[in-house]
Amino acid sequence: DSGVTQTPKHLITATGQRVTLRCSPRSGDLSVYWYQQSLDQGLQFLIQYYNGEERAKGNILERFSAQQFPDLHSELNLSSLELGDSALYFCASSVSQGDYGYTFGSGTRLTVV
Amino acid sequence: AQSVAQPEDQVNVAEGNPLTVKCTYSVSGNPYLFWYVQYPNRGLQFLLKYITGDNLVKGSYGFEAEFNKSQTSFHLKKPSALVSDSALYFCAVRAPSGSARQLTFGSGTQLTVLP
Repeated sequence: DSGVTQTPKHLITATGQRVTLRCSPRSGDLSVYWYQQSLDQGLQFLIQYYNGEERAKGNILERFSAQQFPDLHSELNLSSLELGDSALYFCASSVSQGDYGYTFGSGTRLTVV
Repeated sequence: AQSVAQPEDQVNVAEGNPLTVKCTYSVSGNPYLFWYVQYPNRGLQFLLKYITGDNLVKGSYGFEAEFNKSQTSFHLKKPSALVSDSALYFCAVRAPSGSARQLTFGSGTQLTVLP
């Protein structure tokens, strides 16, 4: 157990729907990062939050949004889902800016049918 | 922009033989470099990192990596491969400062150790 908790582990939903993925960072970590892993795109950085504030944005679609709450857990919201959104979504956390690397959760596998 | 190249999608090696998984990078400034391993249906696990200091870095499970600034490389090595080392390996880089401090990952190399 890495200490980073992601729920749910698996999610199957239909096109056009909206889902929310949840991440609880390792105790003491202030930064949360979201990554998307797909077969054709590899690991793509989506967004980073630090202590409740957005710090960096990557290749995140406008249909996707995220936030980090006062208790430091984070949620990634995916809306108007398309077949191409099917992927593994990872959350990672670090103490500050990740100078010593990140700790990853086990991911949420999203299947859009 | 920072980037990582892992030129081999697949590396096969016999058990007991040395293994190398290649990685080259591009980043502004002195790089922070990392290797992660991913087993099927699992998250990424940290293996080792280079921030500064000795160019040869030792990590978990007997792995090591050599930082070569002139060749902008950070190859992962192990003197004697085990079947249990079979997994997907990712190299990652981040800039030391500025806005682009998130990790950028390579495309991954599937390592298969044959018994």
